[in-house]
Amino acid sequence: NFMLTQPHSLSESPGKTVTISCTRSSGNIASNYVQWYQQRPGSAPTTLIFEDNQRPSGVPDRFSGSIDSSSNSASLTISRLKTEDEADYYCLSYDSSNQVFGGGTKLTVL
Amino acid sequence: QLQLQESGPGLAKPSETLSLTCTVSGASINSSSYYWAWIRQPPGKGLEWIGTIYYIGSTYYTPSLKSRVTISIDTSKSQFSLRLSSVTAADTAVYYCARRWYYFDSWGQGTLVTVSS
Repeated sequence: NFMLTQPHSLSESPGKTVTISCTRSSGNIASNYVQWYQQRPGSAPTTLIFEDNQRPSGVPDRFSGSIDSSSNSASLTISRLKTEDEADYYCLSYDSSNQVFGGGTKLTVL
Repeated sequence: QLQLQESGPGLAKPSETLSLTCTVSGASINSSSYYWAWIRQPPGKGLEWIGTIYYIGSTYYTPSLKSRVTISIDTSKSQFSLRLSSVTAADTAVYYCARRWYYFDSWGQGTLVTVSS
């Protein structure tokens, strides 16, 4: 089994850019796609990124995803931050039939 | 429009079995394009994938819960279900059902299950 490690929390100002990392403990990050989910309090998660860097219809291009094999990690970048981006963010990847969520990152925009 | 709705008891006793059902409407649960999943979230904590089922009944479970979990599907009722045995307080969580396409593209609203005597 593998783990996905995210920073517990991040804080940034409106209009700025923030990057949330997701590091895979074992296995190659590039071997299995990474997804990113946003969860606001009291709501179910919604998908921001799938297949490492693809956005579902309706997700603004302020959200982008990437992977870095050298650090075995994935990243979610949010540009032109808005106060409404304040939420919890989770990465997810898989290994054969096992799917694993990262521990989540609480993003504060102030 | 696709809707998923969890249902089941909101309270379970320690050592007993937690049972939840997800009713799917607005789309066919028989589709070969999708998988159906259970995901949980303990209060104030992160998301945990529990397991997934395909319309023909193939199942996949997270290793840490595999010995206690059963997911089943009833295509005639457009429902899939979760059973988690020998529950403890650590199983207290909001339980979500979800549809997986290339990603989890649709979720239920979630239902809180508390394990307490």
